[in-house]
Amino acid sequence: AQSVSQHNHHVILSEAASLELGCNYSYGGTVNLFWYVQYPGQHLQLLLKYFSGDPLVKGIKGFEAEFIKSKFSFNLRKPSVQWSDTAEYFCAVNMGNAGNMLTFGGGTRLMVKP
Amino acid sequence: GAGVSQSPSNKVTEKGKDVELRCDPISGHTALYWYRQSLGQGLEFLIYFQGNSAPDKSGLPSDRFSAERTGGSVSTLTIQRTQQEDSAVYLCASSAGTGQETQYFGPGTRLLVL
Repeated sequence: AQSVSQHNHHVILSEAASLELGCNYSYGGTVNLFWYVQYPGQHLQLLLKYFSGDPLVKGIKGFEAEFIKSKFSFNLRKPSVQWSDTAEYFCAVNMGNAGNMLTFGGGTRLMVKP
Repeated sequence: GAGVSQSPSNKVTEKGKDVELRCDPISGHTALYWYRQSLGQGLEFLIYFQGNSAPDKSGLPSDRFSAERTGGSVSTLTIQRTQQEDSAVYLCASSAGTGQETQYFGPGTRLLVL
């Protein structure tokens, strides 16, 4: 079955540390890739997306992600996290043969210590 | 402009009762999605509407779940004879319906079945 995996369920970092959250998917066709963030008490918001073109995409708040097709990966990165980045992060994939719905990873809870 | 809105924000019901959850998509968006976010299952797709086409119901977990979309805008998700395992946050999202695109999520309805 098509699936999306996020390897880190919980991550704790100190401010200014670098962040990388892994995301892998299982589908060999064309994909659209997304990272969403859910801050405490708020709804899902789009961080960044990849449809085509440059595999390194930049999003809001200094986040970026790199699509590596050969590895079926779309890892999220930020060079220096802030306390305000404390949130849950979801990788989501639209797999072309599955219509327009998104398949989500299990989420990663990030806590940034001040 | 206004985002996706959902009502009620919270719903507590007794096992066996029916519930209706409402979603108002972003104005002009032709695509509407329902997802469920639960502790055990993460974020999972339920149903997808695109314009006047027949909905994609492939994610509905049982025949107790149904949804309709009236006039191509507002959608109602109905759960009949609720069970405790239906307790979750029900999320609605909408998108422009033009192809590669971003889904914008509402705040969700938190359903608790006692």
